[in-house]
Amino acid sequence: AQSVAQPEDQVKVAEGNPLTVKCTYSVSGNPYLFWYVQYPNRGLQFLLKYITGDNLVKGSYGFEAEFNKSQTSFHLKKPSALVSDSALYFCAVVDGSSNTGKLIFGQGTTLQVKP
Amino acid sequence: DSGVTQTPKHLITATGQRVTLRCSPRSGDLSVYWYQQSLDQGLQFLIQYYNGEERAKGNILERFSAQQFPDLHSELNLSSLELGDSALYFCASSVVAGGADTQYFGPGTRLTVL
Repeated sequence: AQSVAQPEDQVKVAEGNPLTVKCTYSVSGNPYLFWYVQYPNRGLQFLLKYITGDNLVKGSYGFEAEFNKSQTSFHLKKPSALVSDSALYFCAVVDGSSNTGKLIFGQGTTLQVKP
Repeated sequence: DSGVTQTPKHLITATGQRVTLRCSPRSGDLSVYWYQQSLDQGLQFLIQYYNGEERAKGNILERFSAQQFPDLHSELNLSSLELGDSALYFCASSVVAGGADTQYFGPGTRLTVL
């Protein structure tokens, strides 16, 4: 069965420090991996995705993520955190062997960036 | 702004009632998805339509149904509502049906069942 795990409910970092939000996945076929961010009372905003190719993916607002096939991970990173990055982050996967866009989401990680 | 619109923003109703949530996809997108976000279940895929046809089904209750119309907007119908149906319902859209395409989400409809 397909699944996504975000092992940390909350991540706290100081502004200016690097941040990492962890994600691991399980699918039977090739994974299509996504990161979304949700601000309070807002919808989900797309940050970045990995489909194929270079394992390091760059996305919006200075975020990047590294695909690691052997560890089945897709961690979200940013070199220097901003207070405005504080939000709820979701990792999601689509099984590439299916012909649908069914996104399976992790439970979400709340990122808190302190001034 | 993702370009996906959802109405209404908020809906308060009573148990046993029926409601309809509406979604208009981004211009040019043929695929529409519905997701439910609740505190206990997290974000769950409900159903996908592509160009008017059902493409994939997730954990959607039999009391729930959806359709995509010729103009590509979609409606999610929830009937015999229970307290546990209270949640945020998101619509998303993408150009094609396959999983590599990015899904863009609407702002959601917050349903409260009293």
